[in-house]
Amino acid sequence: NAGVTQTPKFQVLKTGQSMTLQCAQDMNHEYMSWYRQDPGMGLRLIHYSVGAGITDQGEVPNGYNVSRSTTEDFPLRLLSAAPSQTSVYFCASSPGGAWDIQYFGAGTRLSVL
Amino acid sequence: SQQGEEDPQALSIQEGENATMNCSYKTSINNLQWYRQNSGRGLVHLILIRSNEREKHSGRLRVTLDTSKKSSSLLITASRAADTASYFCATDSGSRLTFGEGTQLTVNP
Repeated sequence: NAGVTQTPKFQVLKTGQSMTLQCAQDMNHEYMSWYRQDPGMGLRLIHYSVGAGITDQGEVPNGYNVSRSTTEDFPLRLLSAAPSQTSVYFCASSPGGAWDIQYFGAGTRLSVL
Repeated sequence: SQQGEEDPQALSIQEGENATMNCSYKTSINNLQWYRQNSGRGLVHLILIRSNEREKHSGRLRVTLDTSKKSSSLLITASRAADTASYFCATDSGSRLTFGEGTQLTVNP
């Protein structure tokens, strides 16, 4: 049972490059979300989705885009990478929503030079 | 700003001792959750307590919730070296789940 799968595990970008962080879940969860984790700041919500075709902004959405064309996939796009986006990114899914248990992926460690 | 704030930021104890971590939050909540994160890994759910519950147990974990004080505590009894991890509380408001900054627990053998 795969759960929540994030790819890649590690990525190094140059400033200005774009890339997509992939997130897929096989649990048929409606709710999915993206967080970034920086030292000393805990997890901060970037974007979330309550179902296919529906996305909304979280606490720190600037510089990131998302789409949700299927229940399974919730990719996070960095439009023009900046050093401030160096972080560890976590995707999570939940059967019920923000109030329910969240299942996290293993994370993507991103460095922007 | 973070909805939940954990206290202490770091805690170091000996194996067999109990560990207590506290979480305070600012606005009304539906539920409060606790998660564990081992170094370099994703977060793992530990326990969920509803706003109308005051205490909940799961194995060696005991969580209390005081909505009048907007605070929660996580007690780990008879700690083990394998309990070394960061612990986060999370609160939901509508469609968003907000995490605190975490408590780093070190259990020394």
